[in-house]
Amino acid sequence: DAGVTQSPTHLIKTRGQQVTLRCSPKSGHDTVSWYQQALGQGPQFIFQYYEEEERQRGNFPDRFSGHQYPNYSSELNVNALLLGDSALYLCASSFWNYYGYTFGSGTRLTVV
Amino acid sequence: GQQLNQSPQSMFIQEGEDVSMNCTSSSIFNTWLWYKQDPGEGPVLLIALYKAGELTSNGRLTAQFGITRKDSFLNISASIPSDVGIYFCAGPCDNYGQNFVFGPGTRLSVLP
Repeated sequence: DAGVTQSPTHLIKTRGQQVTLRCSPKSGHDTVSWYQQALGQGPQFIFQYYEEEERQRGNFPDRFSGHQYPNYSSELNVNALLLGDSALYLCASSFWNYYGYTFGSGTRLTVV
Repeated sequence: GQQLNQSPQSMFIQEGEDVSMNCTSSSIFNTWLWYKQDPGEGPVLLIALYKAGELTSNGRLTAQFGITRKDSFLNISASIPSDVGIYFCAGPCDNYGQNFVFGPGTRLSVLP
């Protein structure tokens, strides 16, 4: 039974570009949350998707957007990349109304 | 916004020693979670706490929900090399308790 799968594992982008990160939730999970983890910091909540809608959002600008598909997979899009967007982006899946996340291994984004 | 502080930031211990670390919050929480993150991996949930004063164990790990509801403690007994990693505390960042604010982490190194 596969856990949470994220792709790609590593990515290098240039400042000003746009990036899309992908996440497949653990089998049976219907809710996906995204976190940003800067080097040496704890993860920071970006947003959560359930039933293809954004349900909760953390303190991140509109440059960060997402999508959830009918098969529960999700994408995180970041526009107009800044150097400060360099981080590990973690996807976590769960059942709706249940706190128990399973995290993926993350996508390491480097903005140069 | 909510902020969590963890201490110590890092610690080096000998194999077999006991470890104590703590987490404090600027806000009252009704749930505390403790996660461990290994290099190149996403965080893994170790222990969840739901009530002030609660003491919960998971093998050699014991965590306590502080009575002020603004702190929590994690103890590891008889440390072993695989305890190496970063330990994060987390509390809910929304009213539904489904998404979390994380502390900056305590980095544990175990010397043989």
